[in-house]
Amino acid sequence: EAGVTQFPSHSVIEKGQTVTLRCDPISGHDNLYWYRRVMGKEIKFLLHFVKESKQDESGMPNNRFLAERTGGTYSTLKVQPAELEDSGVYFCASSPLGGQGLYEQYFGPGTRLTVT
Amino acid sequence: KNQVEQSPQSLIILEGKNCTLQCNYTVSPFSNLRWYKQDTGRGPVSLTIMTFSENTKSNGRYTATLDADTKQSSLHITASQLSDSASYICVVSVGGTYKYIFGTGTRLKVLA
Repeated sequence: EAGVTQFPSHSVIEKGQTVTLRCDPISGHDNLYWYRRVMGKEIKFLLHFVKESKQDESGMPNNRFLAERTGGTYSTLKVQPAELEDSGVYFCASSPLGGQGLYEQYFGPGTRLTVT
Repeated sequence: KNQVEQSPQSLIILEGKNCTLQCNYTVSPFSNLRWYKQDTGRGPVSLTIMTFSENTKSNGRYTATLDADTKQSSLHITASQLSDSASYICVVSVGGTYKYIFGTGTRLKVLA
């Protein structure tokens, strides 16, 4: 069974440009999460999808970030326009529905975003 | 404020030695605590999970403990191997939600 995949693995863009990150969850996982780790800090929650619906987007830093999950399968996270402080590693995770926090979240390898 | 703190920040040990990593948390309501291992360039992978009523859980050479009264956890690695070199992250789930609160991790390096 394939794990969580993310694309691209690394993106370097200039300040003001737009970048779109993609996450493909494990097949059948209705829960999908986005996280971010900025340099030297802990991984922080951005948002949570249940199927195609945003369940919790309390961690989204501002309206330059837009996450979508059309059809309830893969998800995209768009940053527009990118700022220097957006640099970091963006992780996606997925888990089965139910069980609240007891079901393990499976993480992808992350996308390293560098804004110059 | 929900927070997870880990110590030490980094650790270097010789192959074959044991080590213990620490985690203190202030997360309410508490659901469960996981230890994740993150290899360089990869996503975190869960090693152990403990709920409120569990005070120890093992996974091979990894043994995690939980003291829910003092809100402390530890991860003990026995007979370390070179492949244990990684970051170890303590993660606490907020009760009633799917939300994870992450620690900053302990970077472990095992030397031959």
